[in-house]
Amino acid sequence: DAGVIQSPRHEVTEMGQEVTLRCKPISGHNSLFWYRQTMMRGLELLIYFNNNVPIDDSGMPEDRFSAKMPNASFSTLKIQPSEPRDSAVYFCASRGDGERTIYFGEGSWLTVV
Amino acid sequence: TQLLEQSPQFLSIQEGENLTVYCNSSSVFSSLQWYRQEPGEGPVLLVTVVTGGEVKKLKRLTFQFGDARKDSSLHITAAQPGDTGLYLCAGRKVMEYGNKLVFGAGTILRVKS
Repeated sequence: DAGVIQSPRHEVTEMGQEVTLRCKPISGHNSLFWYRQTMMRGLELLIYFNNNVPIDDSGMPEDRFSAKMPNASFSTLKIQPSEPRDSAVYFCASRGDGERTIYFGEGSWLTVV
Repeated sequence: TQLLEQSPQFLSIQEGENLTVYCNSSSVFSSLQWYRQEPGEGPVLLVTVVTGGEVKKLKRLTFQFGDARKDSSLHITAAQPGDTGLYLCAGRKVMEYGNKLVFGAGTILRVKS
């Protein structure tokens, strides 16, 4: 079975540009998470969707960040405008109903210069 | 300030040595998980501990959940180079909407041959 699929794997962009990260969760999973990982702050939860509805977005840093989940098989995390401090690895993860195990994608490595 | 403090932050040992990684908090968690992350990949779940005092073994890895469910340890016996990676603990907190997984900053383990 395919795991969580993220794209792009790597992105280098200039400050001020819009960045869109994409995620396809594991088929049948109804919970989706976006995490950000940096050396300084570790792995932080940005937003959690359940059945396509945002449940907890308290980790979204500021208004420049937005996330959508238009259907059960696709989610996006958008940063507009991007800043150098947004440079990090962004992980998408999904979980099945009633399960404890969260499955992570391979991450999107973002560098904002 | 991290809700979950992991120690040590870095550990470099020789093949065959034993080691213990700690995960501590002042908060109580309904369960605690340990993940291992290799470079360029997302974290992968190793184990979930639920009951205070619970001990689980996974080959050469022994996981323990503290009696008060505030802390945990991971012990590796006869470490192998293949054990190299970032070890993350994650505690599950009960929220109004359900559960939220909070990650520690991680312990980077390097096992030299």
